[in-house]
Amino acid sequence: DVKVTQSSRYLVKRTGEKVFLECVQDMDHENMFWYRQDPGLGLRLIYFSYDVKMKEKGDIPEGYSVSREKKERFSLILESASTNQTSMYLCASSLWGTGAGNTIYFGEGSWLTVV
Amino acid sequence: AQTVTQSQPEMSVQEAETVTLSCTYDTSESDYYLFWYKQPPSRQMILVIRQEAYKQQNATENRFSVNFQKAAKSFSLKISDSQLGDAAMYFCAYKDAGNMLTFGGGTRLMVKP
Repeated sequence: DVKVTQSSRYLVKRTGEKVFLECVQDMDHENMFWYRQDPGLGLRLIYFSYDVKMKEKGDIPEGYSVSREKKERFSLILESASTNQTSMYLCASSLWGTGAGNTIYFGEGSWLTVV
Repeated sequence: AQTVTQSQPEMSVQEAETVTLSCTYDTSESDYYLFWYKQPPSRQMILVIRQEAYKQQNATENRFSVNFQKAAKSFSLKISDSQLGDAAMYFCAYKDAGNMLTFGGGTRLMVKP
């Protein structure tokens, strides 16, 4: 069964803290994604990785960085958390390929509150 | 850049009735895929249905079907015989030969017993 696991469902952090959000997939997928979800804005892509150590900026990369040291793990890093980064963060993965229909699988999401 | 628009922030439907959720998109590509994703309160995003742009036939999955109008760049989702478990956020999404999805803002569907 397909599995994308986000390690933390709910986090509360203080302004200025460094925050790590971890995501692991067990499907041997090449692609991994981090999205941010806010009411009325849908899902916005923060970063995308298509291979180990490879990354591409999405629509809203400012204030975020990522790390992909192993194929199955993709981490989102907030170097210095700010209150405007309070949001739901969704990790996802998919196969690489020219098949545009490759399904993207999502984790359950991580609720981050920055106070 | 591609854009996806869902003009209905909220919809409600009576149990057992039919409801249609709207989605429009903008692209200059000819080959792409369109998706409807469901996000129930548990927050796990689930693929409901997908449509290949090169196929004229509308996709159908049990009670879920789409009305794909390529020229109008419209991709609506019809849910027949609505059930309480259909209550969720529904997201329309677009994907071309690249590997990234572009999402609409979502429609919250409420099902009344």
